[in-house]
Amino acid sequence: QQPVQSPQAVILREGEDAVINCSSSKALYSVHWYRQKHGEAPVFLMILLKGGEQKGHEKISASFNEKKQQSSLYLTASQLSYSGTYFCGTGRGSGGGADGLTFGKGTHLIIQP
Amino acid sequence: GAGVSQSPSNKVTEKGKDVELRCDPISGHTALYWYRQSLGQGLEFLIYFQGNSAPDKSGLPSDRFSAERTGGSVSTLTIQRTQQEDSAVYLCASSPLRGKDTQYFGPGTRLTVL
Repeated sequence: QQPVQSPQAVILREGEDAVINCSSSKALYSVHWYRQKHGEAPVFLMILLKGGEQKGHEKISASFNEKKQQSSLYLTASQLSYSGTYFCGTGRGSGGGADGLTFGKGTHLIIQP
Repeated sequence: GAGVSQSPSNKVTEKGKDVELRCDPISGHTALYWYRQSLGQGLEFLIYFQGNSAPDKSGLPSDRFSAERTGGSVSTLTIQRTQQEDSAVYLCASSPLRGKDTQYFGPGTRLTVL
């Protein structure tokens, strides 16, 4: 089951904050966040694991609510370089995503000067 | 060190022809994944290799798709008798360890089937 991301798109001014949500209909053991700029490969941002372990980006934070099967990505004081499409991925199996990820359709983020 | 590399970067082919897409993972990475990204869509899992284990082919959309990984390193994704709906960007990713680690993506191969 594909996770659902919201919003589909958001336009911000530089310096504003953004929240991107990812929800799943199945139990989550891990959530992986990636950012993709047009024509480029997805770049890893953050991984959140059941039990609270988190690895990620120094300027971006995220939460993982296992009970609600949701994750949110927080971009504070956004910079122009944050523009791109953000994808959340959930593990296909019951592990941390080692057997592949199922990705949401993405959230398009545009940061304007 | 070098990242994941893929070749060719672009491939245009005629409907019905076979194509081969290549992926060179990061050296030492035991896990390798293929995904497909259609225009405006998210990434769709295709296949997963872990070490010398049998690959997980559950994401392959039809029997026209196959993949192999030689010597635990380079992987080739083959699409036989290509169809227009196969047009997409095919992305390869590798990961160093089983479980909790990041997948590092290559730049992808853009396949266009005319």
